[in-house]
Amino acid sequence: AQKVTQAQTEISVVEKEDVTLDCVYETRDTTYYLFWYKQPPSGELVFLIRRNSFDEQNEISGRYSWNFQKSTSSFNFTITASQVVDSAVYFCALSGLNSGGSNYKLTFGKGTLLTVNP
Amino acid sequence: SQTIHQWPATLVQPVGSPLSLECTVEGTSNPNLYWYRQAAGRGLQLLFYSVGIGQISSEVPQNLSASRPQDRQFILSSKKLLLSDSGFYLCAWTKAGADSYEQYFGPGTRLTVT
Repeated sequence: AQKVTQAQTEISVVEKEDVTLDCVYETRDTTYYLFWYKQPPSGELVFLIRRNSFDEQNEISGRYSWNFQKSTSSFNFTITASQVVDSAVYFCALSGLNSGGSNYKLTFGKGTLLTVNP
Repeated sequence: SQTIHQWPATLVQPVGSPLSLECTVEGTSNPNLYWYRQAAGRGLQLLFYSVGIGQISSEVPQNLSASRPQDRQFILSSKKLLLSDSGFYLCAWTKAGADSYEQYFGPGTRLTVT
């Protein structure tokens, strides 16, 4: 069975601080995909990034960066110089290529509520 | 570009009343479609998914049902709502095929059962 753990339930920072959101996953699949989603107060989940299990290169997109480490089964998300607009719930998710013969089910973590204060 | 619509945006219904939530996707063909529920505790629970017209898989036995009468339309229904059906209902889609696994979510429907 697949499992995603986001141990940080809530994080509060002051604007311009850097913040890292942790994600640890469990899977028996040899090929899998990891995702991060943002859920602002409006409620809609916004897709941020997908990483393939065979590509461990870290990725940077503006103030966002992702650190994927298979050795520790972690896929952490860092926001640099946080802004008030970054306040949201962030979800990490996992999709396995061979999960029961299907590849279209996402397993979500419980989310981390990030509050960025001015 | 693809867009996903859900309606209504909010709904307040009494216990025992029927429910119909609709989701439509534009700009793509033969998508995989999903219904999720998000309770107050934030966790996302997959309720149903569909890989084609008339093909529905249920993840959790419950008071709800789903139908896919058209390629890009997904409907969530109930004959008699329970208090426990309250929550935020999200529809999502993904491209069928090997290259894309991320799901794209609609704006959601906030359901309160009173």
